[in-house]
Amino acid sequence: AQSVAQPEDQVNVAEGNPLTVKCTYSVSGNPYLFWYVQYPNRGLQFLLKYITGDNLVKGSYGFEAEFNKSQTSFHLKKPSALVSDSALYFCAVSPTSGTYKYIFGTGTRLKVLA
Amino acid sequence: ETGVTQTPRHLVMGMTNKKSLKCEQHLGHNAMYWYKQSAKKPLELMFVYSLEERVENNSVPSRFSPECPNSSHLFLHLHTLQPEDSALYLCASSPQPTGSYGYTFGSGTRLTVV
Repeated sequence: AQSVAQPEDQVNVAEGNPLTVKCTYSVSGNPYLFWYVQYPNRGLQFLLKYITGDNLVKGSYGFEAEFNKSQTSFHLKKPSALVSDSALYFCAVSPTSGTYKYIFGTGTRLKVLA
Repeated sequence: ETGVTQTPRHLVMGMTNKKSLKCEQHLGHNAMYWYKQSAKKPLELMFVYSLEERVENNSVPSRFSPECPNSSHLFLHLHTLQPEDSALYLCASSPQPTGSYGYTFGSGTRLTVV
């Protein structure tokens, strides 16, 4: 079955340190990959996406993500974390081009400590 | 606001009540979605509309009834709900119902069934 895994329920990082939020997927073909962020009492906000091309994609608020096809991973990264980055992060995969049927991960709560 | 507006933000209803959730977007998008978000679970796609035509009904119980009168508005009519239906209901839109576009989400309606 196709799936998306976010292996960590929570990630804690000190402000100013680099952060990584992990995502791996099990999907056939060449999927489209997304990251979304959810702040308390809000809907999900689009951060970035990978469709094709350079394996390192840059997105909003200084975030970037690295696509690794051999490891089927799409980890979210930021060089220097801010307290305001504390939120719930979701990885999503669109299995094949032309379908809206995203598969979402269960989310990872990022806590940036001052 | 993200461009997708959901009302009400919070709703408490009894199991015998009938209520409706409303979603509105003025982004010119052609596709609209209803998702259910429950704690510790992946987002569940409920319904998809493309140009006011329902293109997906993801085995959702009949106590949930969607309506899309035009490409800017989407409703979710609720009746005789169960306590396990308590969740955050998210509306989203995208330019087209294909996987290459990110979604724009509303802030959601927090539903509590008592």
